[in-house]
Amino acid sequence: DTAVSQTPKYLVTQMGNDKSIKCEQNLGHDTMYWYKQDSKKFLKIMFSYNNKELIINETVPNRFSPKSPDKAHLNLHINSLELGDSAVYFCASSQDRRSMVAGGYTFGSGTRLTVV
Amino acid sequence: GQQLNQSPQSMFIQEGEDVSMNCTSSSIFNTWLWYKQDPGEGPVLLIALYKAGELTSNGRLTAQFGITRKDSFLNISASIPSDVGIYFCAGDNAGNMLTFGGGTRLMVKP
Repeated sequence: DTAVSQTPKYLVTQMGNDKSIKCEQNLGHDTMYWYKQDSKKFLKIMFSYNNKELIINETVPNRFSPKSPDKAHLNLHINSLELGDSAVYFCASSQDRRSMVAGGYTFGSGTRLTVV
Repeated sequence: GQQLNQSPQSMFIQEGEDVSMNCTSSSIFNTWLWYKQDPGEGPVLLIALYKAGELTSNGRLTAQFGITRKDSFLNISASIPSDVGIYFCAGDNAGNMLTFGGGTRLMVKP
């Protein structure tokens, strides 16, 4: 069983399109995150949800909108895609919002988004 | 915002050699974590450190939480080809999220 699964794994799309990435965790965790990893492999937090409530929104353009229908799911919708959005997007979850509990985050395997 | 400085940025070593990498911060952290990322995968937790001075091992990996709470190091002994990957340190100051270092890319020559 995959603990944190995200789909699709690869996404190639044209500039201006709208796309979504889905994430689901079966760990019973309360908190979920979206991270962006750029070409230099730097991991940058984008959003965090705790039990469906948005708790972190780091200076991310409004074109990015997270949606959490329940605490096991956190989807990421991106409008009007730009070339600079090309990156690997990782979903992660933690037991609760105090991430040090039970050893930090569990990551999904990533979605490689390429905007052409 | 908080930043973690991780060094070296990359290492190219011979199989069997020991490896050492470290992470420093201008801020105090309550928890230090070390992750490894294999190509095409997400980071996987290797070691978690919860107390200043703590020294923890996981097989050939050993990590320490610095006394000042502003640094941590990770050692890998007798490296093997499957150690290849990117190693990330991460710190938690009891906020709502982890702060990640820039990663150390490890390459092992058989």
